[in-house]
Amino acid sequence: GESVGLHLPTLSVQEGDNSIINCAYSNSASDYFIWYKQESGKGPQFIIDIRSNMDKRQGQRVTVLLNKTVKHLSLQIAATQPGDSAVYFCAENYGGATNKLIFGTGTLLAVQP
Amino acid sequence: DAGVIQSPRHEVTEMGQEVTLRCKPISGHNSLFWYRQTMMRGLELLIYFNNNVPIDDSGMPEDRFSAKMPNASFSTLKIQPSEPRDSAVYFCASNPDRASTDTQYFGPGTRLTVL
Repeated sequence: GESVGLHLPTLSVQEGDNSIINCAYSNSASDYFIWYKQESGKGPQFIIDIRSNMDKRQGQRVTVLLNKTVKHLSLQIAATQPGDSAVYFCAENYGGATNKLIFGTGTLLAVQP
Repeated sequence: DAGVIQSPRHEVTEMGQEVTLRCKPISGHNSLFWYRQTMMRGLELLIYFNNNVPIDDSGMPEDRFSAKMPNASFSTLKIQPSEPRDSAVYFCASNPDRASTDTQYFGPGTRLTVL
């Protein structure tokens, strides 16, 4: 799983290409996952979520894939635009009675025009 | 809906001073979360409330930090005395606490600088 560190992974893509951002989560008991987008100077913004009883969910230009076998989550962004440039975080809910989320360290997506 | 509201947006203070950060959650949301974000440690949960009651404060760094939620529409995070290592962006988030979703909605954050 992801661990807190100094280095923020960066994904650089050309405008119009598809982007895939990956996340390895830590707890096999987690039953809910969210992707957030954080632009510079702003708070994290909800993009899409998925529950553990699903392996794929689609939104507008975004798709989240969940592989519980290897505890892996991915976010696919179609036809990436300059406005998609941001840090993307995955978050997991450990399940049970708590609605506490655990966030990964994030991936910086840089879209080149 | 106005979203989560935080104030102030920026705070600069001197070491040893008391700092109070404020949050108004989205109306109707039952859970409220305080996070701290730094480059070194990322996004850390400090404390969260459910129906105005603190549920988990295991992330609060030390006794200098305290949080209150006197009613469903207001929460404060206080640091006394503040130290330079407290410099960070502090986010408040709220959640409707329905079984159908655990999504948290974040405010714009307060950027705290302790000199």
